[in-house]
Amino acid sequence: QSALTQPASVSGSPGQSITISCTGTSSDVGGYNYVSWFQQHPGKAPKLIIYDVSNRPSGVSNLFSGSKSGNTASLTISGLQAEDEADYYCCSYRSGSTWVFGGGTKLTVL
Amino acid sequence: EVQLVESGGGLVHPGRSLRLSCAASGSTFDDYAMHWVRQPPGKGLEWVSGISWNSGTIVYADSVKGRFTISRDNAKNSLYLQMNSLRAEDTAFYYCARKSHRETFFDYWGQGTLVTVSS
Repeated sequence: QSALTQPASVSGSPGQSITISCTGTSSDVGGYNYVSWFQQHPGKAPKLIIYDVSNRPSGVSNLFSGSKSGNTASLTISGLQAEDEADYYCCSYRSGSTWVFGGGTKLTVL
Repeated sequence: EVQLVESGGGLVHPGRSLRLSCAASGSTFDDYAMHWVRQPPGKGLEWVSGISWNSGTIVYADSVKGRFTISRDNAKNSLYLQMNSLRAEDTAFYYCARKSHRETFFDYWGQGTLVTVSS
């Protein structure tokens, strides 16, 4: 059960925008609109920031947005802030009633 | 407010067993499917297992199938993970996570409990 593919790291300056990709297959990302994204700060539990590809939970900044094209989902953070520095994980439903995460992306705010 | 609190982690020798618990509060526990997700220290998240609200559907990752057993007690608002034949590669923080009503994402997570498998 291979993980979804994310870049290991991305970086950006405050105020800039960054995008993190998440590539899977037609059995997961491409086959269902059940992609979610999580933010994880060191020593903390993951926090949901995007669900069902592009929806934001209540209380999550509108600077976070999600999209999907084919087998690749993307998370965009507009107007980077220092507190956005964290690890980000994508997650998708996979056929067979299982779930799969991406390998994680470390975001550095320069 | 929904709270999930894991317990039962610790140091265990390879081949031995351990049982994790997750106590839920702040919502109607038996309205939701529940899952376990683990994270080796310094590494990424891995989905482990899930159970439907009435225990009618149970699924496992291939990496734990046949060794781990998920269960729940709705009367006690609790989720469990029985881990047998533990291996060094099972060393991780184990999180319980609630699946949303839409059943398309995990909306609440506990703080995790650390399981260390080492001789």
